[in-house]
Amino acid sequence: EPEVTQTPSHQVTQMGQEVILRCVPISNHLYFYWYRQILGQKVEFLVSFYNNEISEKSEIFDDQFSVERPDGSNFTLKIRSTKLEDSAMYFCASRGRDQPQHFGDGTRLSIL
Amino acid sequence: GENVEQHPSTLSVQEGDSAVIKCTYSDSASNYFPWYKQELGKGPQLIIDIRSNVGEKKDQRIAVTLNKTAKHFSLHITETQPEDSAVYFCAALKTSYDKVIFGPGTSLSVIP
Repeated sequence: EPEVTQTPSHQVTQMGQEVILRCVPISNHLYFYWYRQILGQKVEFLVSFYNNEISEKSEIFDDQFSVERPDGSNFTLKIRSTKLEDSAMYFCASRGRDQPQHFGDGTRLSIL
Repeated sequence: GENVEQHPSTLSVQEGDSAVIKCTYSDSASNYFPWYKQELGKGPQLIIDIRSNVGEKKDQRIAVTLNKTAKHFSLHITETQPEDSAVYFCAALKTSYDKVIFGPGTSLSVIP
């Protein structure tokens, strides 16, 4: 069965540094998402992306965050200047038209 | 916006017993209610879903019920097995392709 693939599985970064999290959505999917899960808390929506633009974003998704689909297969989340509170699991999801979302296994981001 | 509550937060059952997880939602416009299972180190995986025009849905040992008037929905797992041990999330969406609003999760432990 096709899967959403995320790399790396664990990213350790110094506070203030930029970090890019990468996702390869399922190949025929058109809609892409990022979610965040702080340890012990619920999974929270960050942003949705369709047709090369953001379709919706949450309050969490401030100017420090950006998303990009640089080519036909990758979908990235960039955090420009990381803070301690950005430490979390970040999940990418994708879906086809009128289909539910499929999630990747996440990237654990640790900010030191 | 939508708010999803989930109970209990932790649940331990003996192998072979049933497990029930209950959720409530706030937005009467929500029409699609998926359930996700998250195993350790993995992303949320869709296990079953129900739409608002249906009161109950069953898939082998898993069933979901929906009371749209009361804004309640529940997950029932019968004949539990150790591999059912995971965190389960309910969610509520306006459509199956909206952003997922997760409940806080229930950690289910099935004791052999």
